[in-house]
Amino acid sequence: SQQGEEDPQALSIQEGENATMNCSYKTSINNLQWYRQNSGRGLVHLILIRSNEREKHSGRLRVTLDTSKKSSSLLITASRAADTASYFCATIGAWTGGTSYGKLTFGQGTILTVHP
Amino acid sequence: DTGVSQNPRHKITKRGQNVTFRCDPISEHNRLYWYRQTLGQGPEFLTYFQNEAQLEKSRLLSDRFSAERPKGSFSTLEIQRTEQGDSAMYLCASSTPTGDGNTIYFGEGSWLTVV
Repeated sequence: SQQGEEDPQALSIQEGENATMNCSYKTSINNLQWYRQNSGRGLVHLILIRSNEREKHSGRLRVTLDTSKKSSSLLITASRAADTASYFCATIGAWTGGTSYGKLTFGQGTILTVHP
Repeated sequence: DTGVSQNPRHKITKRGQNVTFRCDPISEHNRLYWYRQTLGQGPEFLTYFQNEAQLEKSRLLSDRFSAERPKGSFSTLEIQRTEQGDSAMYLCASSTPTGDGNTIYFGEGSWLTVV
C-alpha cells in the first residue's frame, strides 16, 4: 500500500522558475528519500533526510521535513527543461524490531514538466 | 561502483509463459529489494533480502512469484504462468547500512509485457 500522498499530482512551470512538491506520510519514519524518474526509466536517488533533520540541501534541491505534520517538501530552484520527470518521496519506517527495516514505501509521485 | 544492473530491460511474453529477471546489486551491498511499478503509480514493495536470506515478502508476491538470492550477490525474480495483470516494470534496488541512514539505489528496471 502507498504510504501517503504527493501534492500536486502534476506541476507545469517555465524554465527558471522554482518548483515545490509536497509529500505526506502516515507512520513514524526513520528517514525520507526523494527520487526522480524519467519516463520509462529507473529511479534516481536525489536526497535523503533523516527523521531528526529539518532541512537539507543538495545543489539546486532543498528538502524540508516536518515530522509533527508528517510531511516533507522538495524545492527545485531555477528549474531546467532537463528537470522534467516524475518525483517520488519514499519513507523508511521507524524500526520497531521487525524485518521491515530498510523497506521504502512510496507515494504516488508528482509529474513535473518544465517548459523551455 | 557500477550501479544496480537489471536484465533483460524489456520482455514480451505470452500469457501462461514463465519469465525470469536478474538483478546484480552494487557490489558489497548486503540488502536487495524488488519492487513493481505500474503506469502512473509509485513503486510497490515485493520482497527484501539481507544477504541470502529473504526476510520479507509482500502480499503482492503471489505463489506464482519466487525470488532468490542464492549466494547473497545477484538475485532472480521468476514469474510463473504469467497473466496480463503482471505487466509492469520490475525494479531492483540495493543498499547497505551506512552513516547516511541507508540510501537505497535502484536499477533501470525490467519492463514486462504479457500479451
